[in-house]
Amino acid sequence: GQQLNQSPQSMFIQEGEDVSMNCTSSSIFNTWLWYKQDPGEGPVLLIALYKAGELTSNGRLTAQFGITRKDSFLNISASIPSDVGIYFCAGQLNTGNQFYFGTGTSLTVIP
Amino acid sequence: NAGVTQTPKFQVLKTGQSMTLQCAQDMNHNSMYWYRQDPGMGLRLIYYSASEGTTDKGEVPNGYNVSRLNKREFSLRLESAAPSQTSVYFCAERDRNYGYTFGSGTRLTVV
Repeated sequence: GQQLNQSPQSMFIQEGEDVSMNCTSSSIFNTWLWYKQDPGEGPVLLIALYKAGELTSNGRLTAQFGITRKDSFLNISASIPSDVGIYFCAGQLNTGNQFYFGTGTSLTVIP
Repeated sequence: NAGVTQTPKFQVLKTGQSMTLQCAQDMNHNSMYWYRQDPGMGLRLIYYSASEGTTDKGEVPNGYNVSRLNKREFSLRLESAAPSQTSVYFCAERDRNYGYTFGSGTRLTVV
C-alpha cells in the first residue's frame, strides 16, 4: 500500500499556541483529507482539498494541498483544550477508489 | 441521526471463534468500507464495496470476508479469529464529492 508519512508523531503544546503538522507521500494524490479522532470515537472529517495549491479553512483550522501534490499541511491557530486528539491525513490517488491514511499526529494541549 | 451505525461496540473472542461485525448507513451512498486501526499503523483498508452487489479487497483482506447485503448494510466476518486480528474496526461510507463518514468503531480482542 501507499505510505503516507505524518509528522510530528506527537505534540505537546500550551493552550493558545499555534500548531502545524504535515503529511508527505512518494505518490501524487488528487485529493487530500484531514480528520480528527477523539478517544473512543471514529475519525471525523475536518477539511477536504481537491486542487494543488488549494488553501481551505474551517474555523481555526487551515489546510493546504501542496503544489507538488505529494504533500499537505494542517495548521490550528490559538489552540484550545478540545483540540486534543489524533489528527490523520488521507490521500487518494488518481486511479482507484481508495484513500490511504497517515499514521496520525497525537496532539495534547496543556491548559 | 444520519450516519454510520456499527455493532457490537466491544467484543472478546477466543482464538478460532467466528463472528460478524455489522454496519449500516442511512445516507443512501453507494460506497462502504471496512478499516482496521492499530497503534502506530493508522487506518488500513480491509475490504470495500463500491456499490450494492460488489466487493473488493483492500490492503489487508486476509482472514476476513464481507457481504454487501443491500445498499444500506455491509458486514465483516472473521471465520476463525486470530490474536493478530485484535484491533479497532471502523466501518465507513463515502459521499462521492466529500469524504468518509465513519462509525464509532468495534473494539475486538482475540485471546
